[in-house]
Amino acid sequence: GQSLEQPSEVTAVEGAIVQINCTYQTSGFYGLSWYQQHDGGAPTFLSYNALDGLEETGRFSSFLSRSDSYGYLLLQELQMKDSASYFCAPERNYGQNFVFGPGTRLSVLP
Amino acid sequence: EAGVVQSPRYKIIEKKQPVAFWCNPISGHNTLYWYRQNLGQGPELLIRYENEEAVDDSQLPKDRFSAERLKGVDSTLKIQPAELGDSAVYLCASSTRTAEETQYFGPGTRLLVL
Repeated sequence: GQSLEQPSEVTAVEGAIVQINCTYQTSGFYGLSWYQQHDGGAPTFLSYNALDGLEETGRFSSFLSRSDSYGYLLLQELQMKDSASYFCAPERNYGQNFVFGPGTRLSVLP
Repeated sequence: EAGVVQSPRYKIIEKKQPVAFWCNPISGHNTLYWYRQNLGQGPELLIRYENEEAVDDSQLPKDRFSAERLKGVDSTLKIQPAELGDSAVYLCASSTRTAEETQYFGPGTRLLVL
């Protein structure tokens, strides 16, 4: 079976750090992707973790713990343009399907 | 490099009418996905192609939805007949076989069924 949990909404101020958690139950789990989607826009790829640990890409970092079926996206030095929805997407078996979570709506306040 | 192209961007139809969406993936991308996204939710996979072969269509409502990817490049998704509940954004995405964790999405087609 499959289940996926993310907080529905997160609010933070400019310059702050925010963490968006994702817990999953995915048969044949292989890796975890994160996508950003602005209102009215298309999802854009942010990061992917296949191994445990932290992956850093600029202001964004993503973490995975396979034993805990848990990951998070860390956004540092928040900017207004980071206001968007963020989706975690576990990969079910290598090269197969990604199941998108319900998404977390991040609002960055001035 | 051109991104994923979709058309039309918007479509308004009456229920029971047919509708078709077109997608042109990034050149060289073997894998093509069609997703449906309802307001406030994440994209839901409808069908995935590897070249011209549909390798996963388990979530495609086959009584009214059909898709094709002739020659393994462009793809068309069709709904016939459309129902009120089909109102959503239909997203097309593509990826390379060696980096399928990175999907590139098109702008989507916003469908409103009246």
